[in-house]
Amino acid sequence: RKEVEQDPGPFNVPEGATVAFNCTYSNSASQSFFWYRQDCRKEPKLLMSVYSSGNEDGRFTAQLNRASQYISLLIRDSKLSDSATYLCAVGNGGFKTIFGAGTRLFVKA
Amino acid sequence: DAGVIQSPRHEVTEMGQEVTLRCKPISGHDYLFWYRQTMMRGLELLIYFNNNVPIDDSGMPEDRFSAKMPNASFSTLKIQPSEPRDSAVYFCASSRTSGVINEQYFGPGTRLTVT
Repeated sequence: RKEVEQDPGPFNVPEGATVAFNCTYSNSASQSFFWYRQDCRKEPKLLMSVYSSGNEDGRFTAQLNRASQYISLLIRDSKLSDSATYLCAVGNGGFKTIFGAGTRLFVKA
Repeated sequence: DAGVIQSPRHEVTEMGQEVTLRCKPISGHDYLFWYRQTMMRGLELLIYFNNNVPIDDSGMPEDRFSAKMPNASFSTLKIQPSEPRDSAVYFCASSRTSGVINEQYFGPGTRLTVT
C-alpha cells in the first residue's frame, strides 16, 4: 500500500461546479498536510496547508480527518484556470514529505 | 523575492556521462530538498538537507547519485555515470523551519534526458 494515495482522475467538470478530492495516508503519526497544484510541465506550487480545524482560502476549502486518515480539498465555483493536477503531501516528522501521485482536474467551458 | 533557482533547465546527455544539477534555495530557508518526478513513479524525495547537513538520503536510488550542499545558498545533485532510466524532471525545493509545518517552495526543475 502506498503511503499517500489519491484518485488519479481525471475529473471533468463544467465551469461553476463544485469538485472535491480526497487523499488517504497510511502513517497515523503524520504531522503536517498540504495541497499543491501542478500545471503541465511546471513545478508544484503550494496551494494550502491543511490544519486540524480545517481551513479555507477563497474558493478552496481543506479538511483533515485524522480518525479516517484522509485530507480533502473542495473547490467551489470552478474556473477554467483551476485545470491542473492537485497533489496532496503528508509530512511524517523530520520534515520528510511524501507526495501523492496527483489528481487531474479539467474544468470545461 | 527570488524563488528557488535551478540550472540547467534542460539537459540532454549520453549514457555514461556525468550530470550535475544545481540549485539555489530561497534566502533564509534552512531546508533543501531534491526530488525526482516521472510519470511512472510520481514525485519522489531523493535527499534533504537541514542547515547544509544531509538528514535523509534514503531516497537516493544508488551510488551513482550524490548530493552536496557546501553552503546555505547552493546545492548540487550529481549523477555519475548517467543511465537512460535516470531521465526525469529533477526538482529542488526549500523551506523554513516553522514548528512541524514544512511548506516547501519548488524551483522550475531540470528536465534531464539521457540517451
